[in-house]
Amino acid sequence: GAVVSQHPSWVICKSGTSVKIECRSLDFQATTMFWYRQFPKQSLMLMATSNEGSKATYEQGVEKDKFLINHASLTLSTLTVTSAHPEDSSFYICSTQGTNEKLFFGSGTQLSVL
Amino acid sequence: AQSVTQLDSQVPVFEEAPVELRCNYSSSVSVYLFWYVQYPNQGLQLLLKYLSGSTLVKGINGFEAEFNKSQTSFHLRKPSVHISDTAEYFCAVSGRTYKYIFGTGTRLKVLA
Repeated sequence: GAVVSQHPSWVICKSGTSVKIECRSLDFQATTMFWYRQFPKQSLMLMATSNEGSKATYEQGVEKDKFLINHASLTLSTLTVTSAHPEDSSFYICSTQGTNEKLFFGSGTQLSVL
Repeated sequence: AQSVTQLDSQVPVFEEAPVELRCNYSSSVSVYLFWYVQYPNQGLQLLLKYLSGSTLVKGINGFEAEFNKSQTSFHLRKPSVHISDTAEYFCAVSGRTYKYIFGTGTRLKVLA
């Protein structure tokens, strides 16, 4: 099956700094990638849909200027959390959609903002 | 609008006992249904999916689920669990779009 590589797996940063998370599709071309956020003991919430070569589509309530998404190639999408604050601490996970509606997930990034 | 409800936030069960993790959904259109498993510090892995056809779906690691349209349920079952099955399990639904709606998850803890 398809493999999605996401890193870093864990990052700690100071409040006010920016953090970039990479999501790579290793063995197939992903025209669309999805970014989810998961707070402790809660479900995954779709943040945005990343489309190769075009602007990302953000879900309601997600600040596009704070969560910058770049999908410059068919194998790489990045999520940058700008000016991170403690409330941005969360588990971020990317996914791509393969055939038969199946999602392939990255291993996730645990972000802790101090 | 679609929604998914996983009523049980935690399910403790002894090793080799059977388990059922409940999932109910609501949708006004035809749906695709999924169960994903998340091990600690890892991403999600697909256990099984229902797209169409037989309502009894078999997945990996001995899990199976049954789509019940009248009860709008898609419960996950395993006849005999192992310690290694300890994880968080998510039920998800999608329509004919890319948007997946996930349940809040059920933490399965298998006890020795």
